[in-house]
Parts: sequence; structure tokens; C-alpha cells
Amino acid sequence: GENVEQHPSTLSVQEGDSAVIKCTYSDSASNYFPWYKQELGKRPQLIIDIRSNVGEKKDQRIAVTLNKTAKHFSLHITETQPEDSAVYFCAASGSGGYQKVTFGTGTKLQVIP
Amino acid sequence: NAGVTQTPKFRVLKTGQSMTLLCAQDMNHEYMYWYRQDPGMGLRLIHYSVGEGTTAKGEVPDGYNVSRLKKQNFLLGLESAAPSQTSVYFCASSYRGDEQFFGPGTRLTVL
Repeated sequence: GENVEQHPSTLSVQEGDSAVIKCTYSDSASNYFPWYKQELGKRPQLIIDIRSNVGEKKDQRIAVTLNKTAKHFSLHITETQPEDSAVYFCAASGSGGYQKVTFGTGTKLQVIP
Repeated sequence: NAGVTQTPKFRVLKTGQSMTLLCAQDMNHEYMYWYRQDPGMGLRLIHYSVGEGTTAKGEVPDGYNVSRLKKQNFLLGLESAAPSQTSVYFCASSYRGDEQFFGPGTRLTVL
């Protein structure tokens, strides 16, 4: 099955700086890569996703890049704000289709005011 | 719209007891999922369903059973609870199988 590795496990940045979270996956058939944000005590929520026919996708301060050759994808958050503090999970679909994803182990992001 | 709801929110069981967690969604979604979340381990898929009457195993199915008799409900059963099943359980649903909408979670402790 699919195996997703996520780094770093914790990340502290100053408010206004950028944050980058990286993930690698094992199954070259994966074609869907979502990112979820989970605030403390809350449920995970999708913040951005990318499909394998796209190399980069942006939504305001958030961007995701995908390198299918190297089998890695990254989340970039610019101009970080305290409300960006949360745990972020990447995921990859594997060969079973995009209806079932495998999650990474999460990155706890702390934005220091 | 209530979205995805889970019952109960908290539960404490003794080893060997059984229980059922209920997930309900009012968005007419075809796909439903059960995950467990443990510190440092992310979200691991237990079982999932691609439509009413169907179920399939995920990464960590041992010790759990599921049923999807109605499209809007997805039940997760523990027949004989073990301390290793202490976790936070999340249900999720999806319309097309991509974006997943999560419930609020159930915190289960097995003593």
C-alpha cells in the first residue's frame, strides 16, 4: 500500500515568516494529494489539494507544489499568522483511486507572535 | 445542515466490553470512512464504504467491524475492547471521494 512520510514533525516560525512542510510518497500511481489542517481539539479540514496533472496550486497565502518524478509534494504558507498554528496533515491517494487516501503523521506548526 | 455527526463524544470502556460508534451525515455523500488518531501516528484508516451496503478494510481493521445499512449512517463496532483501542475516532464522508468532511470525533478510553 501507499506510504507517506511527512517532515518536520514540529515547526516554529515567527509571525510573518514562511513555513514549508514536505511529504514524500511511495506509490507512483498516486494522483490526488490533499492537505488538511487540524486546530487543537477540532476536526481536520481540507485547506488545499492538488491532482497529478498539476505541478503547483495557490490559494491566497497557501500553495502546494508536486514533483511526481521525485514523488514528493510540499505545502507553503507565506506571511504566517497566529491563526495558522495547528497540525497539518498531507495525504496521498495510492493506486486505489482518490477515494481512499493515506495520511502522513502530521506537522505541528507554531506561529510565534 | 448538521454535516457529519458522531455519537457518543466520549466513552470509557473496560477491557472486553463492546460498543458501537455511530456516524451520521446529511449531505447525501456516497463515501464514508472511519479513522483513528493516535499521537504521532496521524490518521489511520480503519474501514471505509463507497456506498450503501458496501464496506472495505483500511490500514488497521483488526478488532473492528462496520456496517452501512443506510446511506447516511456508518457504524463502527468494537466486539471486545482492548487498551490498544484507546484513541480518538473520526468519521468522515465525501461526495465524490476527494474532499473529506470530518465529524467532531469520539474520544474512547479502554481500561
